[in-house]
Amino acid sequence: ETGVTQSPTHLIKTRGQQVTLRCSSQSGHNTVSWYQQALGQGPQFIFQYYREEENGRGNFPPRFSGLQFPNYSSELNVNALELDDSALYLCASSSQAGTGANVLTFGAGSRLTVL
Amino acid sequence: AQSVTQLGSHVSVSEGALVLLRCNYSSSVPPYLFWYVQYPNQGLQLLLKYTSAATLVKGINGFEAEFKKSETSFHLTKPSAHMSDAAEYFCAVSEGTGGFKTIFGAGTRLFVKA
Repeated sequence: ETGVTQSPTHLIKTRGQQVTLRCSSQSGHNTVSWYQQALGQGPQFIFQYYREEENGRGNFPPRFSGLQFPNYSSELNVNALELDDSALYLCASSSQAGTGANVLTFGAGSRLTVL
Repeated sequence: AQSVTQLGSHVSVSEGALVLLRCNYSSSVPPYLFWYVQYPNQGLQLLLKYTSAATLVKGINGFEAEFKKSETSFHLTKPSAHMSDAAEYFCAVSEGTGGFKTIFGAGTRLFVKA
């Protein structure tokens, strides 16, 4: 079975720009969660998508938005980039939306640098 | 609100020594608890999970963790460290039915000395 793939792996943007990160979920998974991992910190929950709708959101502003497509792949969009948005963005897929036993399968991440 | 506290941002052990990584959780409902490992330039991988079936949970690579409700702890142990265990370890908590997000601790970096 294929794992979770993310693209691009690295990218550099300037403050104020917009960025789109992409994620293909593991085969058989219908739920995608996005996390932001700043250097030296644990992953912070951004939001989760299930059946193409946002299923929960962490403490992130509206300029962080997402999409889930019928094939369960997903995009994370960040508008008006700020320096503090520099981080590793992790996508995780799972097959048990709405339950606590939600084991996450992570991609390798997209490292965003904002200058 | 659920949360996780990992005690010690860095732990250093000698090869062959006991590994003990500490995690305390806070949850208003019976929690699901997880340990994930992150190797350099990689995403996180599941080591083990607690889902109330048994308090002592065995995971991959010889790791295990014990759920102690009275101490609200879920410490990770391995009897004998190997050089390949050097990585970042994250404890995580997820609420039960109806919960939708997994909350991670700040992580503990494990160093293994030869």
